[in-house]
Amino acid sequence: GAVVSQHPSWVICKSGTSVKIECRSLDFQATTMFWYRQFPKQSLMLMATSNEGSKATYEQGVEKDKFLINHASLTLSTLTVTSAHPEDSSFYICSPGARGHYEQYFGPGTRLTVT
Amino acid sequence: DAKTTQPNSMESNEEEPVHLPCNHSTISGTDYIHWYRQLPSQGPEYVIHGLTSNVNNRMASLAIAEDRKSSTLILHRATLRDAAVYYCILRPDSNYQLIWGAGTKLIIKP
Repeated sequence: GAVVSQHPSWVICKSGTSVKIECRSLDFQATTMFWYRQFPKQSLMLMATSNEGSKATYEQGVEKDKFLINHASLTLSTLTVTSAHPEDSSFYICSPGARGHYEQYFGPGTRLTVT
Repeated sequence: DAKTTQPNSMESNEEEPVHLPCNHSTISGTDYIHWYRQLPSQGPEYVIHGLTSNVNNRMASLAIAEDRKSSTLILHRATLRDAAVYYCILRPDSNYQLIWGAGTKLIIKP
């Protein structure tokens, strides 16, 4: 399967600061990137979908100005949580995709704690 | 709207087979049946997928009912490392997002 990395694996930040999470698809050309978040004991919730070189499409209820997604290349996508608040504390997971690839791969996740 | 129904949890003994059921009575003809699992504090992991015929891979087997309204993920010999939440998901195309339900929490007893 594809190798997907995320950095950092965990981060603690203060309320009001911004945090950038990197997702790298090491051996897979990700024309699409799905970003999820997962709160404790809950299932994954899709935040946004981005296609390489295009603006991301955000799910209802997800603020696009708060969660900035960049998908500038086929191997790298970033999610920036701006002006983070404690309620943004969650487990963020990226998932690269490409047409024709039915198996979906996932990053190991980034645990964000906002104090 | 996950479109699939799974038991909340199941228990099994180590080194015994495990059959994880999934109902998807509203499945359409183009929906693939996917299974993923998520170990604690990790991203999900692909397990297997199929359309109509039963499928086998190194991780598991997928048995699909003839009417495709249900399927069963089979772990042939469960180990403690198989303890995870297992998700059954329908997906019409590789360009579609995965819609995650609550999944089945599999508990393996030593």
